Amino acid sequence: GDSVTQMEGPVTLSEEAFLTINCTYTATGYPSLFWYVQYPGEGLQLLLKATKADDKGSNKGFEATYRKETTSFHLEKGSVQVSDSAVYFCALRGQAGTALIFGKGTTLSVSS
Amino acid sequence: EPEVTQTPSHQVTQMGQEVILRCVPISNHLYFYWYRQILGQKVEFLVSFYNNEISEKSEIFDDQFSVERPDGSNFTLKIRSTKLEDSAMYFCASVPIGGGNTEAFFGQGTRLTVV
Repeated sequence: GDSVTQMEGPVTLSEEAFLTINCTYTATGYPSLFWYVQYPGEGLQLLLKATKADDKGSNKGFEATYRKETTSFHLEKGSVQVSDSAVYFCALRGQAGTALIFGKGTTLSVSS
Repeated sequence: EPEVTQTPSHQVTQMGQEVILRCVPISNHLYFYWYRQILGQKVEFLVSFYNNEISEKSEIFDDQFSVERPDGSNFTLKIRSTKLEDSAMYFCASVPIGGGNTEAFFGQGTRLTVV
């Protein structure tokens, strides 16, 4: 079945450092890919998405590119802030109406 | 901005008791979901609901669980006889009609603690 694998955390960075969180997927067909973020004590919020190969999703300085050839959707940010400290989840949806499949989540901790 | 709302935010219950978790999805959405997240672990799919019936469910969603959309706005998850391992954060989500590339909108979650 479909699955998502993302790098284990926690990831600890200093403010203004470069961030990469790796995400790879296994799916039949052409899934849509998502990054969700969960700030402490809050629910899941969509950070960005990409719906077809070579699409780049971006939001709040974060970017991820849908790479079909490597089945990857790595999350990047050029300069992280303390306020980016959260848990980041990579997810996919295979078809309309089907459930999101999540990776295990990566905890990011940014210190000043 | 429309949002998914869940109540209560935190529920403590004794093992063996029944609990009902409530969700109000965004009003024009058609697909509804429950997920759970055991502390520190991944977000797991439980069940999806469309056109007044379950459209998909996971292995976790056994006979102890049921879902209902009793009226035009609420979407509930019932756990008949809670176990300690049911302690988790439960998230409701809804999706408008629009295909697989449409984002899911999540509620803030209900933290269920079974003692």
